[in-house]
Amino acid sequence: SQQGEEDPQALSIQEGENATMNCSYKTSINNLQWYRQNSGRGLVHLILIRSNEREKHSGRLRVTLDTSKKSSSLLITASRAADTASYFCATDRKDNNNDMRFGAGTRLTVKP
Amino acid sequence: DVKVTQSSRYLVKRTGEKVFLECVQDMDHENMFWYRQDPGLGLRLIYFSYDVKMKEKGDIPEGYSVSREKKERFSLILESASTNQTSMYLCASSLLGGSGNTIYFGEGSWLTVV
Repeated sequence: SQQGEEDPQALSIQEGENATMNCSYKTSINNLQWYRQNSGRGLVHLILIRSNEREKHSGRLRVTLDTSKKSSSLLITASRAADTASYFCATDRKDNNNDMRFGAGTRLTVKP
Repeated sequence: DVKVTQSSRYLVKRTGEKVFLECVQDMDHENMFWYRQDPGLGLRLIYFSYDVKMKEKGDIPEGYSVSREKKERFSLILESASTNQTSMYLCASSLLGGSGNTIYFGEGSWLTVV
């Protein structure tokens, strides 16, 4: 079954605003990753956060991880129209870190 | 740059046909994956492989098989295509020790079964 579930399913904001997407998962993990998918294309890796990390930054991206709540959030600051895409979290299993599962994704629309 | 190449971008097949989706990666990755993506359901894992001739079932293996005869190539086979297998199929690869490593995706294969 799917491990991660993103929330909300869809998000629409104006350019310049911040976008926050959440991911919840069911079982203990080693790592959590966030990916982006432009419409009709493959997924592209954004950022990885390990289970012993609480926060990570990469440019305009900020990821947090709360292992006690089994949840993560992806914040995109000062959004741009080019950020319009679907965003997915991916998690492994504590007992098998080669078994990567993705959620259904959050569809982000940034209006110019 | 790592490249994962899926041989066909768009395919139209008839019900009952045998369908091969081919995937090749050029970075000597041990892990390879096949996912299926449908609207509202996200990516669902069909099969993955962490070594040549090794395979493990994912969430939805029914109706599919896979072949990994060479490290760089991972094929998805639909033995008898059905209309409910119309979908986008994504191949991916990563180094062993998967979740600590980036997963690289191909551009996807859009399969329509009529």
